[in-house]
Amino acid sequence: DAGVTQSPTHLIKTRGQQVTLRCSPKSGHDTVSWYQQALGQGPQFIFQYYEEEERQRGNFPDRFSGHQFPNYSSELNVNALLLGDSALYLCASSFPRAGYTDTQYFGPGTRLTVL
Amino acid sequence: AQTVTQSQPEMSVQEAETVTLSCTYDTSENNYYLFWYKQPPSRQMILVIRQEAYKQQNATENRFSVNFQKAAKSFSLKISDSQLGDTAMYFCAFMNRNAGGTSYGKLTFGQGTILTVHP
Repeated sequence: DAGVTQSPTHLIKTRGQQVTLRCSPKSGHDTVSWYQQALGQGPQFIFQYYEEEERQRGNFPDRFSGHQFPNYSSELNVNALLLGDSALYLCASSFPRAGYTDTQYFGPGTRLTVL
Repeated sequence: AQTVTQSQPEMSVQEAETVTLSCTYDTSENNYYLFWYKQPPSRQMILVIRQEAYKQQNATENRFSVNFQKAAKSFSLKISDSQLGDTAMYFCAFMNRNAGGTSYGKLTFGQGTILTVHP
């Protein structure tokens, strides 16, 4: 049973560039959430996708956008990169339904460094 | 808005001993979940244990158990028979389950507690 996968593992960009991170959910899951984790901090919620639409959004600027595909995989796009965007980006998948305990399972993360 | 507080930045324990990590949260909701995740140096966030707020019985998973005090909004994690592999950062997290409410379905994390298990 494949877990949540993310690519790439790490990447380096320069200020002003754009980046796309990718996530494939755990088998059987249809909901994908993205989190940003600064070094030594707890993850912060960016947004959540369900049925190819953004369902929830955290306090992140519009430079952060996403997409979900019909196979439930997802992308996180960040435009006009700032130094402060350097972080570990975590993807989590879940199957939130009545009668189920909604639990999010995380991928290994993508380490983004902005120079 | 919900907040989660972990007041112990670092903890250490000897192998085979028991350690308790503290977590408090603040919410006006009455339908929610609480979780403990561990994040080892490999950085993969791994679910340790979960608790539904409507259940009075404390959750247990092998060597891991919680002490859930709903009125006090406290959710501590007890690790028994600590092992070297338990060394990690531990995060307490809250999820609102009131559909239509703010922060529905998203995890709010604490700042984490670094646990080191010594041989």
